[in-house]
Amino acid sequence: DTEVTQTPKHLVMGMTNKKSLKCEQHMGHRAMYWYKQKAKKPPELMFVYSYEKLSINESVPSRFSPECPNSSLLNLHLHALQPEDSALYLCASSQQYGGRTDTQYFGPGTRLTVL
Amino acid sequence: EDQVTQSPEALRLQEGESSSLNCSYTVSGLRGLFWYRQDPGKGPEFLFTLYSAGEEKEKERLKATLTKKESFLHITAPKPEDSATYLCAVPTSGTYKYIFGTGTRLKVLA
Repeated sequence: DTEVTQTPKHLVMGMTNKKSLKCEQHMGHRAMYWYKQKAKKPPELMFVYSYEKLSINESVPSRFSPECPNSSLLNLHLHALQPEDSALYLCASSQQYGGRTDTQYFGPGTRLTVL
Repeated sequence: EDQVTQSPEALRLQEGESSSLNCSYTVSGLRGLFWYRQDPGKGPEFLFTLYSAGEEKEKERLKATLTKKESFLHITAPKPEDSATYLCAVPTSGTYKYIFGTGTRLKVLA
């Protein structure tokens, strides 16, 4: 089973709202990732968590706040977003971060629209 | 500078018409090359991982190969359901993170 789940599937929010995206995997993976993908572009890495600790932050604006409560869950808290933040947000997980067990498995994504 | 380039950008095939997609990479010390399929509005679906030049992997109508400079995804007798964007990715030379190519949008016509 290589399933990563994400909720919600779609989210519409205003620029003053606070919302959260959720990601879950039960494959025993110890690395989890957030990506942002704009239309007809490849995914762009935002954050990497390894063993529940933040390993990479790709200079993402502070209006995006990641959280990894345990090894199965990954959240992305959103606050005061801009319309240009509208995109498909993808969560991924891999057995380990780096090395030959780093094949990343992606969730279905959350389509975010900021009004 | 690490770089991944995919070609062609878009490809239209008739059902049954075999072809190949290309992924060229420039990284120091390849630590794997990954192929994904992505349907519109959905997350990438993992297809293959290749680690060494000369390595080949197959799955149904797809076959991935790897050389020291590029990878090919061969599609044999494609069907309309193979229509998707195909992405390749390689880890960067420094901090371990994927660089994705811009993808090949494949359309297979019945």
